Amino acid sequence: GEDVEQSLFLSVREGDSSVINCTYTDSSSTYLYWYKQEPGAGLQLLTYIFSNMDMKQDQRLTVLLNKKDKHLSLRIADTQTGDSAIYFCADIRTGGGNKLTFGTGTQLKVEL
Amino acid sequence: EPEVTQTPSHQVTQMGQEVILRCVPISNHLYFYWYRQILGQKVEFLVSFYNNEISEKSEIFDDQFSVERPDGSNFTLKIRSTKLEDSAMYFCASRRGQDGGYTFGSGTRLTVV
Repeated sequence: GEDVEQSLFLSVREGDSSVINCTYTDSSSTYLYWYKQEPGAGLQLLTYIFSNMDMKQDQRLTVLLNKKDKHLSLRIADTQTGDSAIYFCADIRTGGGNKLTFGTGTQLKVEL
Repeated sequence: EPEVTQTPSHQVTQMGQEVILRCVPISNHLYFYWYRQILGQKVEFLVSFYNNEISEKSEIFDDQFSVERPDGSNFTLKIRSTKLEDSAMYFCASRRGQDGGYTFGSGTRLTVV
């Protein structure tokens, strides 16, 4: 299957943790990525994880991968107003060439 | 930090006109891509380019589209005869090797009127 699905919206208070979820259908995913898109801007690579890993931490960001359930999450600790953006997960699949398949995007709104 | 540079940032063109979107990938990268994002929709793959040829293209990338790497630094996307539905943000991306992350440019917003 081709689908990479995300919930559309998430609203959190400043200082709380945000968890953005992603499910994918193709078990041949090799790399999974998180990108951030601010209004009118490009796609900023936040982090990525290889499919044989189950966790990766990078400062405020923690990526968890449950390969059995095909579930990927991005946790942002101590969420700030500057974290407000759309977050896309994306994957690369074995036999899928080098192309990224993007999820639908989750709009994160951080409230004071 | 190295960047992928795209020009122009915004282009308005009349339906039926040709447009060329320009990209300068990161200098030691070997894989180049174009993606597009219609307003409010997913980011969609258009084409990948490696070793001076197209390695993969999507069904969106029909005969109206072409890519070129005319010199050692530029990577262009040409749309021969634009349609209203070509209006989108077009992103160029590059990648050094088969491992690691893609670096995206800031995009060109194409508006076809």
